[in-house]
Amino acid sequence: DAGVIQSPRHEVTEMGQEVTLRCKPISGHDYLFWYRQTMMRGLELLIYFNNNVPIDDSGMPEDRFSAKMPNASFSTLKIQPSEPRDSAVYFCASRGGTGFNGRRNEQFFGPGTRLTVL
Amino acid sequence: AQTVTQSQPEMSVQEAETVTLSCTYDTSESDYYLFWYKQPPSRQMILVIRQEAYKQQNATENRFSVNFQKAAKSFSLKISDSQLGDAAMYFCAYRSAIPSGTALIFGKGTTLSVSS
Repeated sequence: DAGVIQSPRHEVTEMGQEVTLRCKPISGHDYLFWYRQTMMRGLELLIYFNNNVPIDDSGMPEDRFSAKMPNASFSTLKIQPSEPRDSAVYFCASRGGTGFNGRRNEQFFGPGTRLTVL
Repeated sequence: AQTVTQSQPEMSVQEAETVTLSCTYDTSESDYYLFWYKQPPSRQMILVIRQEAYKQQNATENRFSVNFQKAAKSFSLKISDSQLGDAAMYFCAYRSAIPSGTALIFGKGTTLSVSS
């Protein structure tokens, strides 16, 4: 089990550029979450999917942010155009449904992507 | 809406000693889950311990144990025989048991330092 995979691990870009963060959840997990971590706001949920369908995107800060999950093994979080205040660590996490593998209710986190917008 | 509060931004402990990290939460739900996550400098989020609200018995995982007080909405983490590797930021988190409330709600975190 490779765990949740995120890429890139670090991203430095200039204001106004498009940024795409990628996530591969653990195989068989049907929930996928995107969180953002900043010093000021801590860890906050941006959006989550269940069976590839977005369920709650109320945490997405504004229209510059979009997330997709075209299939069960891949998700993207896109920021266009990026701004310096988007600098943060972005985590992807996945979770199995009830009764999955005897480890229900546990979210597994990826290593995070540290985004710096200059 | 549910909230999670960690009132200790920083804590310190000496090796081999015991330390307790505090967490309180607010909810009107009766069924939920509580978690403690550890985030070392590598920034990887690691699950330390989990508690189901319907269970009265406090969860334990080796040197880690919780004091779950449902009526007081308190969920503290005790680390016994502290080790240098325990130094990290610790997050308390809440998750509703209802299907639509499946995301984690985190506290602001407590930075734990361990000295030799």
